[in-house]
Formats: sequence, structure tokens, C-alpha cells
Amino acid sequence: DAGVTQSPTHLIKTRGQQVTLRCSPKSGHDTVSWYQQALGQGPQFIFQYYEEEERQRGNFPDRFSGHQFPNYSSELNVNALLLGDSALYLCASSRTAGYTFGSGTRLTVV
Amino acid sequence: GIQVEQSPPDLILQEGANSTLRCNFSDSVNNLQWFHQNPWGQLINLFYIPSGTKQNGRLSATTVATERYSLLYISSSQTTDSGVYFCAVDGSGTYKYIFGTGTRLKVLA
Repeated sequence: DAGVTQSPTHLIKTRGQQVTLRCSPKSGHDTVSWYQQALGQGPQFIFQYYEEEERQRGNFPDRFSGHQFPNYSSELNVNALLLGDSALYLCASSRTAGYTFGSGTRLTVV
Repeated sequence: GIQVEQSPPDLILQEGANSTLRCNFSDSVNNLQWFHQNPWGQLINLFYIPSGTKQNGRLSATTVATERYSLLYISSSQTTDSGVYFCAVDGSGTYKYIFGTGTRLKVLA
């Protein structure tokens, strides 16, 4: 049974560019949550998708947007990248209470 | 919003030692999980434990919801236990987990 899959694993982008990160949830899970983890800090909640709609959002600007597809997979899009967007981006899937995390995408903005 | 504090922030142990990690939260919670983040960044779910006590091998956890804290016990620590331990809580019942700042554990051989 595959767990949560994220792609790509690493990414380098230039300031001002746009990026799309992808997440396939664990089989049987229907909810996807995205987190940003800066170096040395705990993960910060970006938003959560359920039934193809954004159900909750954390304190992130509109440059961060997402999507959930009918097969429950999800994308995180970040526009107009800033140096401060450099971080590990984590996707978690769930069906009821417990999260399962993917391995993350490490984004570096130069 | 709910605040989550973990202690100690850093911990160095000799292999074979035992330790207790603490998570305090500022409001009632519906869900609580403990995670271990390995050096490669992978977050591994250790326990889903909104209340009560659970054990899994050398690890056990206790949550006293009425007093707003949770404890993670590691016995007979091994070098592979090194990494960062996070407590995450959901106070709204909507599975939006808020993470603590973590406890960085290093186990020496």
C-alpha cells in the first residue's frame, strides 16, 4: 500500500517565478493538507483540501493556492516566489483523525 | 489560536538511556499526534493519542487532556532515535494540526 507521494523531491527556482508541487494521498484518504517548514522550525499549516474545495487556510498570502482533483491528489502553487519561500513543503493525507505525511519537496529560491 | 509548547528544546542522551518529552497546549484539543522527523525530513507518525496511554515497543505516550499536556517516553534509546520530535494538536476538530516547536534529540553511541 503506497503512502503519501510528493513530487518533485527537490527544486530550485528563481525569485519571481512560479512553482507547482504535487501530492498523491495514501490509498483510502480523502483529505490533503499542506505545510511549510522553514529550517529549524515546526511545520506551518498552509491549507487543507476536501471534496475538491479548500476547507481551511492558514496565515499565508494569496500567492499560495492549491487544487484537489477527483482522485484526491492535490497541487500546491506558489506565484511570484520570494527568497523567504525557501522551505520544505510537506503534504499530509487523512481520512479521519490521523495524518500521514509524505517525504516533502525541498524548494530553494535563489 | 491554540498554542503548543514542547520541552526540552534540545536533549542529548547516551545510548540506552531513557527520556521524557513534554507537550503543553493552551486549550482543549480534539486530536493529538506525536511525530518523529528523521534527518532527511520525513515525518513519521508515532502515536495518535487525544487522551489516554498507548505503547509501541520502546515508545509510549500519555495524554492528560483535562490538564492540557502530553508526554512521550523513550526507553533504552538508540542512535536511530535521533531527530526532532513534534507534538501536533487539533483544537477545532477539523483536522487542522498545529505543531509545537519540537524537541531535538541526539543519541550518542
